[in-house]
Amino acid sequence: ELKVEQNPLFLSMQEGKNYTIYCNYSTTSDRLYWYRQDPGKSLESLFVLLSNGAVKQEGRLMASLDTKARLSTLHITAAVHDLSATYFCAVDRRETSGSRLTFGEGTQLTVNP
Amino acid sequence: EADIYQTPRYLVIGTGKKITLECSQTMGHDKMYWYQQDPGMELHLIHYSYGVNSTEKGDLSSESTVSRIRTEHFPLTLESARPSHTSQYLCASSEFFIGTSGAYEQYFGPGTRLTVT
Repeated sequence: ELKVEQNPLFLSMQEGKNYTIYCNYSTTSDRLYWYRQDPGKSLESLFVLLSNGAVKQEGRLMASLDTKARLSTLHITAAVHDLSATYFCAVDRRETSGSRLTFGEGTQLTVNP
Repeated sequence: EADIYQTPRYLVIGTGKKITLECSQTMGHDKMYWYQQDPGMELHLIHYSYGVNSTEKGDLSSESTVSRIRTEHFPLTLESARPSHTSQYLCASSEFFIGTSGAYEQYFGPGTRLTVT
C-alpha cells in the first residue's frame, strides 16, 4: 500500500524567510504532483514532476524530485503572505488504463508579516 | 485548462434523504474521480472511472455510488444521508500529459460542501 507523508504538517513562518516542505513516499514512482489549496477552495495544480532529478520553479516556489530516495521537496524562497495556504503532494500510481493519485496529509503554511 | 463543474456548491440536508452530487467536465476527459476531504485533512479517493460504463471503488470505503453514462458526466449518489457523510466532495478529471514518460494531470472542480444534520 502506497503511503505518502509530508512534513511539517503545520508551518508558521515570517515574511522574507526560506523554508522547505518534504514529501516522502513508500513505493516506486517517478511521477509526483504538488497542489495548493486555499481555505474553502478547490485544488490548484502547482508542479508536475515526471522524472528523477526533475526540478521546477515558479516564482518563490521550487519543487524537486529524487525517485531513488522517494522524496520530493517544495522550497519556499523569501516567503510572502500570499503564499499562505495548504500544500499537498500527490504520488501517481500508474495503471494499465490510467492513473490514481495518493495524497499526503497536507502542509498548512501561514506566512506572518 | 480544464473546465469542471460541480453542483450544488453547498448542501445542508437532513438524515435519511437521498442526494446526488453533480460533476460535469467539458474537456472530453476519459478519466474522472471523486475525492472526500474533511476540513484541513488529506484527500481520499472514493470512486473513479476510466471511461463510459466503467466505475471502480477507490481507496476509502464509501456508502455512495457513482455512474458514468456519458463521458462528461460523473454523478455521485447517497441513498440515505447520515451525519458521518458530512464532508467536502471534490470531483476531478484528467488527461494524458504530453511528455516522453507520460503522465495524467488531474484538474479539480470547485467542490461540494455537504452537511447532514
